[in-house]
Amino acid sequence: EVQLVESGGGLVQPGRSLRLSCAASGFTFDEYAMHWVRQRPGKGLEWVSGITWNSGIMGYADSVKGRFTISRDNAKNSLYLQMNSLGPEDTAFYYCARDISPSAFYYFDYWGQGTLVTVSS
Amino acid sequence: EIVMTQSPATLSVSPGERATLSCRASQSVSNNLAWFQQKPGQAPRLLIYGASTRATGIPARFSGSGSGTEFTLTISSLQSEDFAVYYCQQYNNWPSFGQGTRLEIK
Repeated sequence: EVQLVESGGGLVQPGRSLRLSCAASGFTFDEYAMHWVRQRPGKGLEWVSGITWNSGIMGYADSVKGRFTISRDNAKNSLYLQMNSLGPEDTAFYYCARDISPSAFYYFDYWGQGTLVTVSS
Repeated sequence: EIVMTQSPATLSVSPGERATLSCRASQSVSNNLAWFQQKPGQAPRLLIYGASTRATGIPARFSGSGSGTEFTLTISSLQSEDFAVYYCQQYNNWPSFGQGTRLEIK
């Protein structure tokens, strides 16, 4: 069974940093691109960032470019999102999602349950 | 950036009736379009990809159509479990989602 479990969310002050993790199991992790998608409370879905199987391609939404960094450790079956210079607009549930492709960004067939990041003083 | 626009924002339909949801892209995405369903407190679930192909386990009452810039998700006979929020997502470029259509019981 495919499982994606996010962790690392919480309350953080504006301007500070936070690192999210996603632990993957039930599939061969290094055969898939992976993504972070966020959802502000009561709002719609927003693609944040994606990374191909070998970290050869990393993409970011304009809203996070230069502040967030996606990475993965295939030996640990883990996906990460380093978030710097956080602002209130980054308050959201952050979902880890699996792409159907290893080497390009398409659509997402499995999702985690999300971790909540709250940016507030 | 490709902007996806869904309409209507909210759709009220009675159980057993048909629901038609629309999604428009700001430029052509060919058939690189997926649909997701999200219920309260849950992660999104993949329904349709390639504009018209149902994902594994999705009932036949869900169908997708369209190409280029205009797409439609049709639910032929609404069941109680179908009332949820639906999102379209293009993957012709960096992924982007529509703002969602809330399907509510009339």
